[in-house]
Amino acid sequence: ETGVTQTPRHLVMGMTNKKSLKCEQHLGHNAMYWYKQSAKKPLELMFVYSLEERVENNSVPSRFSPECPNSSHLFLHLHTLQPEDSALYLCASSQAPLAGGNNEQFFGPGTRLTVL
Amino acid sequence: EDQVTQSPEALRLQEGESSSLNCSYTVSGLRGLFWYRQDPGKGPEFLFTLYSAGEEKEKERLKATLTKKESFLHITAPKPEDSATYLCAVQEPGYALNFGKGTSLLVTP
Repeated sequence: ETGVTQTPRHLVMGMTNKKSLKCEQHLGHNAMYWYKQSAKKPLELMFVYSLEERVENNSVPSRFSPECPNSSHLFLHLHTLQPEDSALYLCASSQAPLAGGNNEQFFGPGTRLTVL
Repeated sequence: EDQVTQSPEALRLQEGESSSLNCSYTVSGLRGLFWYRQDPGKGPEFLFTLYSAGEEKEKERLKATLTKKESFLHITAPKPEDSATYLCAVQEPGYALNFGKGTSLLVTP
């Protein structure tokens, strides 16, 4: 595997289900990100982990719960979602932009989530 | 708050018809401006990073330029396989990238 991989690619779930999205990066990066992409909207940053520590949480509802067990893996645990949570969920990774360095982020293919 | 605006929202070109996409931004202290290409149902694919006004980068039929207020993505003699959504993003302090809504490009044979 190369780059950033995400599983599953498609997920349909009911509002009472619990599911998890998985992301794995093979780039040797130390920062990982979850984004939400909805139609006609810019990408929305949800969570950032740097060196396995959560460094940003952009007012995301608690029904989304991230987990970063190591610098290569990132999970997004989902429970009691709403239909408006249907979107493309993207994972990205980068070298942590320490000391003002650049933040070139590389994205996975995304998980298309549909909440019924 | 930093703002990123992309125009046009959609663009249709004939194969071989060159054009430019625009990304205007307001940011206090630019750390980097990024261009990505996104195909339907896929994640954004990194194209370029620009850091300072006057900088230019090229890749095949694409050329990105940067001024103090905007960036242009010039597409020379496009082909149908260049059809995609092109995203612009500005690096904010910390870890966040501030993305525009994108320009959807369609190149017809």
